[in-house]
Amino acid sequence: DAKTTQPPSMDCAEGRAANLPCNHSTISGNEYVYWYRQIHSQGPQYIIHGLKNNETNEMASLIITEDRKSSTLILPHATLRDTAVYYCIVRVLGGKLIFGQGTELSVKP
Amino acid sequence: EPEVTQTPSHQVTQMGQEVILRCVPISNHLYFYWYRQILGQKVEFLVSFYNNEISEKSEIFDDQFSVERPDGSNFTLKIRSTKLEDSAMYFCASNGGRPPGELFFGEGSRLTVL
Repeated sequence: DAKTTQPPSMDCAEGRAANLPCNHSTISGNEYVYWYRQIHSQGPQYIIHGLKNNETNEMASLIITEDRKSSTLILPHATLRDTAVYYCIVRVLGGKLIFGQGTELSVKP
Repeated sequence: EPEVTQTPSHQVTQMGQEVILRCVPISNHLYFYWYRQILGQKVEFLVSFYNNEISEKSEIFDDQFSVERPDGSNFTLKIRSTKLEDSAMYFCASNGGRPPGELFFGEGSRLTVL
């Protein structure tokens, strides 16, 4: 079973930052935090991952707390096309991804 | 940009028939996966494959299922004697093996069992 807890749904206004929280209180020292999203029934899409430090790429930023028990995915300027289910997943090196229910993000005009 | 491709995009079959879903992973990737998603439910892990053998499988992946890498490019999922409950989207994914590398997913094959 998934080792993360996410709110089932969130709304965000277009152009505003979307902050998606995730709890992973039982994360092990060798587990990474990954974020994927799934738009409609398309294949899941990788967004970002991190171990300890905050990470940023062209899609998003990942903020991981110092104790690593929670993280936040930030979409800095959400667009309508960011409407999707967002999955927070913890994964050991080389391990499989186990998807939970994720957070259904609705970006509204 | 390299991508994982899957065929067919949609297959309709009669209960009891065998189906083969095909995937072409990203060239030079080493790890391959199959996942499925029943309509309205979460994405479920089926099996992982590395070095021409199964490295891990879920309890869903029973004797009805098999995977194969018949040549250097294709990765197939065979479902024998399909059941109604096998109706789902099946996603193939590949990973370059360079840790902690992300998985790249295909667009999926929708299987409908009548």
